[in-house]
Amino acid sequence: AQSVAQPEDQVNVAEGNPLTVKCTYSVSGNPYLFWYVQYPNRGLQFLLKYITGDNLVKGSYGFEAEFNKSQTSFHLKKPSALVSDSALYFCAVRVRNTDKLIFGTGTRLQVFP
Amino acid sequence: DTGVSQDPRHKITKRGQNVTFRCDPISEHNRLYWYRQTLGQGPEFLTYFQNEAQLEKSRLLSDRFSAERPKGSFSTLEIQRTEQGDSAMYLCASDSLSGNTIYFGEGSWLTVV
Repeated sequence: AQSVAQPEDQVNVAEGNPLTVKCTYSVSGNPYLFWYVQYPNRGLQFLLKYITGDNLVKGSYGFEAEFNKSQTSFHLKKPSALVSDSALYFCAVRVRNTDKLIFGTGTRLQVFP
Repeated sequence: DTGVSQDPRHKITKRGQNVTFRCDPISEHNRLYWYRQTLGQGPEFLTYFQNEAQLEKSRLLSDRFSAERPKGSFSTLEIQRTEQGDSAMYLCASDSLSGNTIYFGEGSWLTVV
């Protein structure tokens, strides 16, 4: 069965410091991997995705993520956090030749001034 | 591109009443998805349409839930005889057959009292 794990319920980081939000996955085939962000009482906004090619993908708002096949991970990173980055972040996997996303439980990112 | 549109954004209903949510996908997106998200959880897949055909339904979708996409454009999700456990945010999303990124709407919050 396909699954996604986000091991941290919350990540706290000071503004200006680098941030990492962790994600690991378990799928039977080659995955498509996604990060979405959710602000309070809002829907999900697409941040970035890995489909194929370069393991380091860049996305919106200065975020990037690194695909690591051997560790089955897809961690979200940003070199310098902003207070406005504070939100709920979801990792998701989409198995090729299927049609739906499977989400992790989410990680709340809190950036302190 | 106006994005995925959902209506209403908020609905409070008494237990036992029926409710209906509407979703307008991004134009020319032929795949449409419904997800449900409860507090502290990641979105869970409910059902999916390709054009007007409903291709998959989750076992989460009890017989009180019905979804339609009659002309392959907008979709409705109806919940009959609502229960307090139905309180959640219902998210609609869409993508195209040739694409690989699913875009979400702002969600419809349901509170059953």
